[in-house]
Amino acid sequence: EAGVAQSPRYKIIEKRQSVAFWCNPISGHATLYWYQQILGQGPKLLIQFQNNGVVDDSQLPKDRFSAERLKGVDSTLKIQPAKLEDSAVYLCASSPGRGQATSGNTIYFGEGSWLTVV
Amino acid sequence: KQEVTQIPAALSVPEGENLVLNCSFTDSAIYNLQWFRQDPGKGLTSLLLIQSSQREQTSGRLNASLDKSSGRSTLYIAASQPGDSATYLCAVNTNAGKSTFGDGTTLTVKP
Repeated sequence: EAGVAQSPRYKIIEKRQSVAFWCNPISGHATLYWYQQILGQGPKLLIQFQNNGVVDDSQLPKDRFSAERLKGVDSTLKIQPAKLEDSAVYLCASSPGRGQATSGNTIYFGEGSWLTVV
Repeated sequence: KQEVTQIPAALSVPEGENLVLNCSFTDSAIYNLQWFRQDPGKGLTSLLLIQSSQREQTSGRLNASLDKSSGRSTLYIAASQPGDSATYLCAVNTNAGKSTFGDGTTLTVKP
């Protein structure tokens, strides 16, 4: 079974530029997450999709971040314009059901997209 | 607001030693708790998932316990090996599927 795919793996941009990350979840997984992980910290949820609907985007900085999940499969996360503090790893994850609330459910992570803003 | 704390932030042990990693959380109204492993430059790999009604889960040399009333979980690693070196994160989950992660414990097992 293929895992969660993310691209690009690494990106360096100047502040005020824009960047987009792509995620392809595990086939059949209804729930998709985007997390931001700053070096030395745990992941912080940015947005959670259930199929192609948004379940939780309370911690997404909507003035500069946007995300979409077309047709309930792939997803893109965009940052425009980027700030220095956006330097982080952006992790995409997926799970079969309604996130980790489902008994025995588990969440699968991609290897992340590493962003450096200079 | 749920807060998750992991102590210590870093731990270094000689090979073969048994060790315990700690995770504490402030809101005991959780649905389940999950332990992850993260290798440098990699994503997170799920190790163990404990439902709120369970006290512990075991997988090989790993044993995770949960005391919901006191807001604590521990991850016990028996007979540690250099390959266990990684960052270990715990995540506390609500029944709405919302996860709060700790900042992790970075473990180094010296040969």
